[in-house]
Formats: sequence, structure tokens, C-alpha cells
Amino acid sequence: DTEVTQTPKHLVMGMTNKKSLKCEQHMGHRAMYWYKQKAKKPPELMFVYSYEKLSINESVPSRFSPECPNSSLLNLHLHALQPEDSALYLCASSPLARAGAEEQYFGPGTRLTVT
Amino acid sequence: DQQVKQNSPSLSVQEGRISILNCDYTNSMFDYFLWYKKYPAEGPTFLISISSIKDKNEDGRFTVFLNKSAKHLSLHIVPSQPGDSAVYFCAANTGFQKLVFGTGTRLLVSP
Repeated sequence: DTEVTQTPKHLVMGMTNKKSLKCEQHMGHRAMYWYKQKAKKPPELMFVYSYEKLSINESVPSRFSPECPNSSLLNLHLHALQPEDSALYLCASSPLARAGAEEQYFGPGTRLTVT
Repeated sequence: DQQVKQNSPSLSVQEGRISILNCDYTNSMFDYFLWYKKYPAEGPTFLISISSIKDKNEDGRFTVFLNKSAKHLSLHIVPSQPGDSAVYFCAANTGFQKLVFGTGTRLLVSP
């Protein structure tokens, strides 16, 4: 089973709203990731959690706040977003057995629109 | 600074023929490479990977070739099928859990 699930599938929010994106995996992976993908562009890394601790923050604005409640769950809390934050947000996980040489498995993404 | 490049934005191939997707990278320290396939409104799906200690890795219809001296890799799909139509991304693992993706090549396989 190489499934990563994400909810919701679509989200429309205003610039003053607070919302959260959720990601779940049951593969026993110890690393989880958030990526952002704009149309016709490659995915761009936002955050990495390793063993439930934030290990990489790619200088993401503080209006995006990640959280890893346990080894299977990853959240991305959104607050005061801008219209340019509209994108596909992808979650991924990897085993962390061979950190420099392993695959990441992606979820289907959440399509976020900020109005 | 695009460290991983896919210079062909699109490729059209007839069903049954070979599809060859190319990827170049600039950082000689990269030593693990991956190919992902992506359908619209879905997340990338892992296809195949290769370590720099190899120059070829094969999985069914998919073969990845790595030329370290040229900093070039390619994905061969034989035979191509209409269901292979998607955007293909190559990616390099930087060694710090970070994948750097190319800009993608849209493959269209026509019947």
C-alpha cells in the first residue's frame, strides 16, 4: 500500500479565513513533506518533517503553519492567505531509511483557491 | 537557478513506438534520480529511480539511463500506450530529503 491521502480535495477560502489541510499515510514512513505546485510549474518543497520534527522550512511565509501530530498525520494550517497562494498543495511521505536515495510518495493534492 | 532541466515541454508519439524523455542536471553532487508521472488534478506518481552507481535501471516498459559525465538522464517507455499520456517530471534527490524537480515534459501518445 503506497497511499497518501489528503483532505479536502478542493478548498476555497477568503483572505481572512483560517483553514487547515490534512494529510495521512499508513505506510510507516517517518518523513512527511508539504509541496506547493502552481500551474505548469514543478512542485516546490515547503516543509519537511523527520521523525515528527520539523527538519526543513524552505523560507515559507508564516501564514503557512505546518504541524505533525503523530507519525501518520501532517497538517498545514492556513491563515490570512493571499490570492497568489492559490495552488495545488501536495503532501508526500518517504521511509527515511535512505534519506539521500529514496522515493517520495505523493498524495492527490488539495486544490486551494484564495479569493 | 534551475538545477534540473527538461528542455522539451512536450512530446508526441504514436502508440507502440518508443517515447524518450530527457533530463539534464547541473550539480554533480546529485546521486539519486527519480521519474514521476502526473495526471491533471492528481499528485505525482513514482515511476522509476536510479542511483549514480548504475547507468541503467529497468522496470517493465520503463528504463532509465544515466550518463554521469554528461549530467544527463533519460526515460524510455517501450511500447508507448495511450494511458502513458501525462506530464513526466524528473527529479534529483539532493541528499537532504529534498527533491528538486525539472519543469516537466507533457507526453501525448496517440492511438
